[in-house]
Amino acid sequence: AQSVTQLGSHVSVSEGALVLLRCNYSSSVPPYLFWYVQYPNQGLQLLLKYTTGATLVKGINGFEAEFKKSETSFHLTKPSAHMSDAAEYFCAVSDPPVYSGGGADGLTFGKGTHLIIQP
Amino acid sequence: GAVVSQHPSWVICKSGTSVKIECRSLDFQATTMFWYRQFPKQSLMLMATSNEGSKATYEQGVEKDKFLINHASLTLSTLTVTSAHPEDSSFYICSARVREGQTDTQYFGPGTRLTVL
Repeated sequence: AQSVTQLGSHVSVSEGALVLLRCNYSSSVPPYLFWYVQYPNQGLQLLLKYTTGATLVKGINGFEAEFKKSETSFHLTKPSAHMSDAAEYFCAVSDPPVYSGGGADGLTFGKGTHLIIQP
Repeated sequence: GAVVSQHPSWVICKSGTSVKIECRSLDFQATTMFWYRQFPKQSLMLMATSNEGSKATYEQGVEKDKFLINHASLTLSTLTVTSAHPEDSSFYICSARVREGQTDTQYFGPGTRLTVL
């Protein structure tokens, strides 16, 4: 069984400051990891994903995340926050196709972190 | 990235009626789509996996007779909430799985907000 823990339901940073959103996972197999962003009353937009290879993954809007197997973490960062980054962020995990019979299962999501940007 | 649409974006219905929500992949074919449910200020919970040409696979605790899923084509999956009740009010989001190289990614629709009076 998989699980995702996002530390901090709310994170507040000043505009221009570093953004750090934490995500830890539990999985019995090497997982695929994702970060999604959700704006109010909208669906989810993929920010970035880790499957295999380089552990530092760069995504859209200046975000990046690093997969650390030893820490079972996949924290999301952005060097300089912008007002438009204010949104809900979800970390998610799935089993790779080789473990799930040829295709990724439905995602298991963390509870989300609400990012607040202060002017 | 791949585009997924949902229709309607919001719906209000009376208790006891049925509501159909459509999920379409606009620029790709999706043999597998997923339906999620999201309560206010909470995360997404997977309801079911919709497979083109076969029966949907439901997660534990999800009533398959209440939430009917039909994946009749490679670009369309529908979720019908039958005999809706106020506790079914929620934000329903679909996603479509896309094979990108050797990996799969899910792209999400914009969601449908259901309010049952």
